[in-house]
Amino acid sequence: GAGVSQSPSNKVTEKGKDVELRCDPISGHTALYWYRQRLGQGLEFLIYFQGNSAPDKSGLPSDRFSAERTGESVSTLTIQRTQQEDSAVYLCASSLVGSGGQETQYFGPGTRLLVL
Amino acid sequence: AQSVTQLDSQVPVFEEAPVELRCNYSSSVSVYLFWYVQYPNQGLQLLLKYLSGSTLVKGINGFEAEFNKSQTSFHLRKPSVHISDTAEYFCAVRDTGSSNTGKLIFGQGTTLQVKP
Repeated sequence: GAGVSQSPSNKVTEKGKDVELRCDPISGHTALYWYRQRLGQGLEFLIYFQGNSAPDKSGLPSDRFSAERTGESVSTLTIQRTQQEDSAVYLCASSLVGSGGQETQYFGPGTRLLVL
Repeated sequence: AQSVTQLDSQVPVFEEAPVELRCNYSSSVSVYLFWYVQYPNQGLQLLLKYLSGSTLVKGINGFEAEFNKSQTSFHLRKPSVHISDTAEYFCAVRDTGSSNTGKLIFGQGTTLQVKP
């Protein structure tokens, strides 16, 4: 079956431009996560969506970052006025919910963002 | 706050040799523990997870990990590695609490380099 997909796979942009990254979760997965992976570092949590509940935005590094999700489907992560420090791989994950945190998160291949 | 420390950034090993990738965590609450693998140019894939019960957990591709609560460790082992095991390995924890959003806290990763 189809896994988590992300687009674009690579994005090169100039400092100060806005970028939009897209994530298509596995069908039926109600939970969706965004993580950031900087070069040589582990993944940092950014934001979490679960159904119609208010998203957990506690990991967003600044107000330049925002994300939306339409129902239980596609999510977009928007970075405004990009900075060189935003260069990273942005990973999306989705999961079923209902096992008290025991469920497995399935990751997409990521979007590699380079800000020049 | 929770944190995860992967003690080795790189582990070189010869093919068919045993390997141990170390992971220690810090948390004031009970946690679930995970190991993910990231092959070159691919997304993260779950290797194994500890939720409860037996402290020795077996995963895919012949890997296993042992949860040690007193030492707050969750080291990953394989008795005989293959060239195809060359990848980045990430240890992660998740709070078991009911208020938990399910976000994973990751270590910085260990690169396993299997040499012929």
